[in-house]
Amino acid sequence: DAGVTQSPTHLIKTRGQQVTLRCSPKSGHDTVSWYQQALGQGPQFIFQYYEEEERQRGNFPDRFSGHQFPNYSSELNVNALLLGDSALYLCASSHIRLAGGTDTQYFGPGTRLTVL
Amino acid sequence: GENVEQHPSTLSVQEGDSAVIKCTYSDSASNYFPWYKQELGKGPQLIIDIRSNVGEKKDQRIAVTLNKTAKHFSLHITETQPEDSAVYFCAASRPRGNQGGKLIFGQGTELSVKP
Repeated sequence: DAGVTQSPTHLIKTRGQQVTLRCSPKSGHDTVSWYQQALGQGPQFIFQYYEEEERQRGNFPDRFSGHQFPNYSSELNVNALLLGDSALYLCASSHIRLAGGTDTQYFGPGTRLTVL
Repeated sequence: GENVEQHPSTLSVQEGDSAVIKCTYSDSASNYFPWYKQELGKGPQLIIDIRSNVGEKKDQRIAVTLNKTAKHFSLHITETQPEDSAVYFCAASRPRGNQGGKLIFGQGTELSVKP
């Protein structure tokens, strides 16, 4: 059973460019969350997708956008890249549960984005 | 706002000793508290989690305790081994339906187990 997969592994971009990162959830999972992890810090929540809609969003600007496809895979798009966007971008998948429950999230290996 | 404080930031122990990492959360609506282990160049790996209706949970050498009144939870690793060396993160989340699903992470603890 494949776990959460992400592509690409590494990416180098220049300021002002746009980037798209991809995530395939763990088999049987239907919810995808994205996190940004700066060097030496804990992951910060960007947003979460379920049923192809953004369900929750953290404190990130509109330059960060996403999409979820019918097969539950997801993309993270970042426009007008800044130097400060350099980080490890993590995708986590989970399975929606009844109201009141809390999904267990499983993380992928991440995509290391470097903005020059 | 929502915040999770984690201590210590670094921890060095001898092989066979115990290690304890502590976290404090601010959001009283939080009811789910996972712990992740992150090795260099890898994504966080879930090692144990606890929900607010339980005070303690154990899985072999790893245990987690929760004090909801004090908003504290802790990770205990006994009989540490060199392969336990990694960065450990605590996190907190609200229930689904109450902005659940968003994990708030601590700053991490770099654990080093010396042979």
